[in-house]
Amino acid sequence: QKEVEQNSGPLSVPEGAIASLNCTYSDRGSQSFFWYRQYSGKSPELIMFIYSNGDKEDGRFTAQLNKASQYVSLLIRDSQPSDSATYLCAVIGANFGNEKLTFGTGTRLTIIP
Amino acid sequence: DVKVTQSSRYLVKRTGEKVFLECVQDMDHENMFWYRQDPGLGLRLIYFSYDVKMKEKGDIPEGYSVSREKKERFSLILESASTNQTSMYLCASFLAGADTQYFGPGTRLTVL
Repeated sequence: QKEVEQNSGPLSVPEGAIASLNCTYSDRGSQSFFWYRQYSGKSPELIMFIYSNGDKEDGRFTAQLNKASQYVSLLIRDSQPSDSATYLCAVIGANFGNEKLTFGTGTRLTIIP
Repeated sequence: DVKVTQSSRYLVKRTGEKVFLECVQDMDHENMFWYRQDPGLGLRLIYFSYDVKMKEKGDIPEGYSVSREKKERFSLILESASTNQTSMYLCASFLAGADTQYFGPGTRLTVL
């Protein structure tokens, strides 16, 4: 079992709709959870981070964390063509070592105009 | 703004050559990381460093070594490049207690 799993996609969403991206992790002691966006040929950039169970909103983005079920999700409201990218989930877990992020393989999102 | 720079955006080397990839950050961060990114495999940690002259192996250290002689600089060394080391290499850094890592622009290395 991979430590951090994501559906590779591609996920296609119409412009203006809600895009939902999911991630599961294996280490129940994981403490910190991150979502990165990566455009083709570019390096990852942080979108959201979440530490506590529940929802965290930042503009059009909402991160949701459920530690009991060991999943974290990212919702993108009012999707725009500029949101088309690969989204990486990353986790800092109890067994992963200080500040060492473990990444999922990413979900490729395409927003259809 | 945090700035992490890498010595080259694109690099082409021949099998058996010694390759140096350099990463520099200007924010006085203690922690620095080297990843490689391959299609379908995601980002995999090669080596990381918590302080000057300190290094720890990541998930795929074989065939690589690192050097951190100064806090701002973290070098990745391929002692004898092989074709299976063709990849995108990403450097990252952050301050202990900060929220996340900041990535450099990446170096796309091709080994022929």
